[in-house]
Amino acid sequence: QSVLTQPPSASGTPGQRVTISCSGSNSNIGNNYIYWYQQLPGTAPKLLIYWNNQRPSGVPDRFSGSKSGTSASLAISGLRSEDEADYYCAAWDDSLSGRVFGGGTKLTVL
Amino acid sequence: EVQLVESGGGLVQPGGSLRLSCVGSGFTFSSFSMSWVRQAPGKGLEWVAHIKQDESEKYYLDSVRGRFTISRDNAKNSLSLQMNSLRAEDTAVYYCVRDFSSGDSHEYWGQGTLVTVSS
Repeated sequence: QSVLTQPPSASGTPGQRVTISCSGSNSNIGNNYIYWYQQLPGTAPKLLIYWNNQRPSGVPDRFSGSKSGTSASLAISGLRSEDEADYYCAAWDDSLSGRVFGGGTKLTVL
Repeated sequence: EVQLVESGGGLVQPGGSLRLSCVGSGFTFSSFSMSWVRQAPGKGLEWVAHIKQDESEKYYLDSVRGRFTISRDNAKNSLSLQMNSLRAEDTAVYYCVRDFSSGDSHEYWGQGTLVTVSS
């Protein structure tokens, strides 16, 4: 199982707001930045959020990130069909001296 | 335009070896740390290894430490992953990643190369 814990699935209807959680510990989320990735089917992952809540250029402001203690969350507002993808959280883990990912959340747009 | 192109994947028998390569273009390769991340078929992402710009620091996933070696040749804009003593559980798509940089606030991934370990 993954060091970071995400729900395996999430869903919403077009226009809705959905959130995806990511839970860790003091050695990873609690002490380091969280990153979020979007992976569309058959493609490489794409950075969606860096430094807990910052968006790279080109990422719509419908995507937002937050962090509190040893947990983080990704929010997607104004849900669109093209948001249907797998979403992963990641952080450096000081105890493991390596990067750790969440198990991924499959988002379905109903 | 930043590009990362991996090569070297293929079918290998358990216990065998394979060397993955990644060539970067569109950026100053020597200025960025690099990583390998893998994804087993139908599974999630798993970080494998990381190397600093000048090779001064290298980090590995516990399950590959001692079997895999990450290296780079900044003169050739190239990143490598030497994989020895391969196991069935190493089967995955391996992605080359230009790590996040505060300089341009971006991170870049290659398209991946498939490694299949099977007899």
